Amino acid sequence: SAVISQKPSRDICQRGTSLTIQCQVDSQVTMMFWYRQQPGQSLTLIATANQGSEATYESGFVIDKFPISRPNLTFSTLTVSNMSPEDSSIYLCSVREDSNQPQHFGDGTRLSIL
Amino acid sequence: GQNIDQPTEMTATEGAIVQINCTYQTSGFNGLFWYQQHAGEAPTFLSYNVLDGLEEKGRFSSFLSRSKGYSYLLLKELQMKDSASYLCAVFNNAGNMLTFGGGTRLMVKP
Repeated sequence: SAVISQKPSRDICQRGTSLTIQCQVDSQVTMMFWYRQQPGQSLTLIATANQGSEATYESGFVIDKFPISRPNLTFSTLTVSNMSPEDSSIYLCSVREDSNQPQHFGDGTRLSIL
Repeated sequence: GQNIDQPTEMTATEGAIVQINCTYQTSGFNGLFWYQQHAGEAPTFLSYNVLDGLEEKGRFSSFLSRSKGYSYLLLKELQMKDSASYLCAVFNNAGNMLTFGGGTRLMVKP
């Protein structure tokens, strides 16, 4: 399976600032996704990162708050903008090489906002 | 929409067998995944069922009944390291997305 490198692994940020999380895959993958996992909760899909076009956001998530880039088939970024304590969560990059393959996860970014 | 249900918590004894159930309601079903997630770590892939029946992989097995919207994960010869959350996730081909249940926290006791 693809090796997924996500960074930073963790960060502590000030309210009102923004942080960009990077996801690098060691092979070209068709599908890349960003998830959020709040403390004690399961995973919630934020958006599907589409190569060369705007990301597809799920209900409750908007581009202004979570801008996403995907310039090629191996790399994507998620920015958490104008952060508040409610954004404290683990953010996970996930990839699927094609629709018949399992979906795999990066190690996640643990984000705390003061 | 999609609805995925699994028990919140389960407790079992080391060496025993435990079955974690998952029921789902979805349109465009195209497969069900089970993931294991240890505290503070990312989910790791355990199994993928797209057809009815039992898939066995070592100590872990997963079963799917599409007509009943039901799956289970069976863990045999439980070890302390199996204490983790187990996430059931449904793949909806129409939306090309994976939706997760709330997860079952399994505690294995000596």
